[in-house]
Amino acid sequence: DQQVKQNSPSLSVQEGRISILNCDYTNSMFDYFLWYKKYPAEGPTFLISISSIKDKNEDGRFTVFLNKSAKHLSLHIVPSQPGDSAVYFCAAISAGGYNKLIFGAGTRLAVHP
Amino acid sequence: DAGVTQSPTHLIKTRGQQVTLRCSPISGHKSVSWYQQVLGQGPQFIFQYYEKEERGRGNFPDRFSARQFPNYSSELNVNALLLGDSALYLCASSMGEGTNYGYTFGSGTRLTVV
Repeated sequence: DQQVKQNSPSLSVQEGRISILNCDYTNSMFDYFLWYKKYPAEGPTFLISISSIKDKNEDGRFTVFLNKSAKHLSLHIVPSQPGDSAVYFCAAISAGGYNKLIFGAGTRLAVHP
Repeated sequence: DAGVTQSPTHLIKTRGQQVTLRCSPISGHKSVSWYQQVLGQGPQFIFQYYEKEERGRGNFPDRFSARQFPNYSSELNVNALLLGDSALYLCASSMGEGTNYGYTFGSGTRLTVV
């Protein structure tokens, strides 16, 4: 059972425009959400996170929005840059216990000039 | 500052063989987790160790085992390799266990089973 879903395997955006990456989850016990970026031949790099008690977190060009009632979160990148081209993973952590990250399948973002 | 280091970076093994993957966490980090990433999928949790104790185990068969050493480095062992074990194995380290601590991933070990 896929508890974290990224339904768009790929996204293509023009440089300077907004990139919106989406993520849906099924487990209401998730209390923390993270976005990771991954370049080929590298490990995932932490990008931004949000606690379940918030609905928005912003860090520079990156903003994550959380809609708990819809069990949906999104990552906005504005403005998009060619260096943002990578695979983006949404991940979630359950309340209590150890910090097991549950990842979505990822969305490949291509930012073209 | 050295990040999370994993060795080897690549290796090729034959079905039925055994493999040991190694991970050195960031200095000061006491928690190490292992993930398996199959092509086209997100990383899947295998193990977490904190202060040398197993704190969690994912849905993987007993062929997978791990341990953490007094210096907080870790090894992941996989016995009786199957073709389906071919994947990128990622190690992540963290200072502690709570959600306040971020995870830093290594670049991974690419295992190919033939």
